[in-house]
Amino acid sequence: DQQVKQNSPSLSVQEGRISILNCDYTNSMFDYFLWYKKYPAEGPTFLISISSIKDKNEDGRFTVFLNKSAKHLSLHIVPSQPGDSAVYFCAATSTGANSKLTFGKGITLSVRP
Amino acid sequence: DVKVTQSSRYLVKRTGEKVFLECVQDMDHENMFWYRQDPGLGLRLIYFSYDVKMKEKGDIPEGYSVSREKKERFSLILESTSTNQTSMYLCASSPWGLVLYEQYFGPGTRLTVT
Repeated sequence: DQQVKQNSPSLSVQEGRISILNCDYTNSMFDYFLWYKKYPAEGPTFLISISSIKDKNEDGRFTVFLNKSAKHLSLHIVPSQPGDSAVYFCAATSTGANSKLTFGKGITLSVRP
Repeated sequence: DVKVTQSSRYLVKRTGEKVFLECVQDMDHENMFWYRQDPGLGLRLIYFSYDVKMKEKGDIPEGYSVSREKKERFSLILESTSTNQTSMYLCASSPWGLVLYEQYFGPGTRLTVT
């Protein structure tokens, strides 16, 4: 049973426009969420996170929104740049001892110049 | 900067061979993890460790074992490789505490089993 779902495998946007990457989760115990970015032949790098006590967290061009009632989060990239082209993974965990991350399948973002 | 290194970038092995994948982190992190990444399946946790000589099974531990004899080093062992273990293997580490969940990844090892 997939607890973190990224239902769209890919997204293509024009440079300068907004990219919106979606993620849904099913486990009500999840209370901390992260986004990672991965380039080919490199390991994933942490991008941004959000705790369930918040509904928005912003870091430069990246904003993550959390809708707890819908069990949905989204990553907004504004403006999108060609260097943002990568695979984006959504991850979730429940805080507490020995918690581990549960990752989604990833979304491949392509930003067209 | 946190640095996580993995012993090999690419490996090709024959079915039945034993494989050691080694991961070293230089930031004194307590937690270390092994994942595999497969197309359409995302990152799946194989094993993790919160302390020296301690290990816990992740979501897909079958066919794998691990060893953590030193804090900075976490090894993944494939006792007898099979073709379904062809994958990208990623090691990660994280510190204990509030940033427990922000894991730092190595570059990955692409293992091909023929």
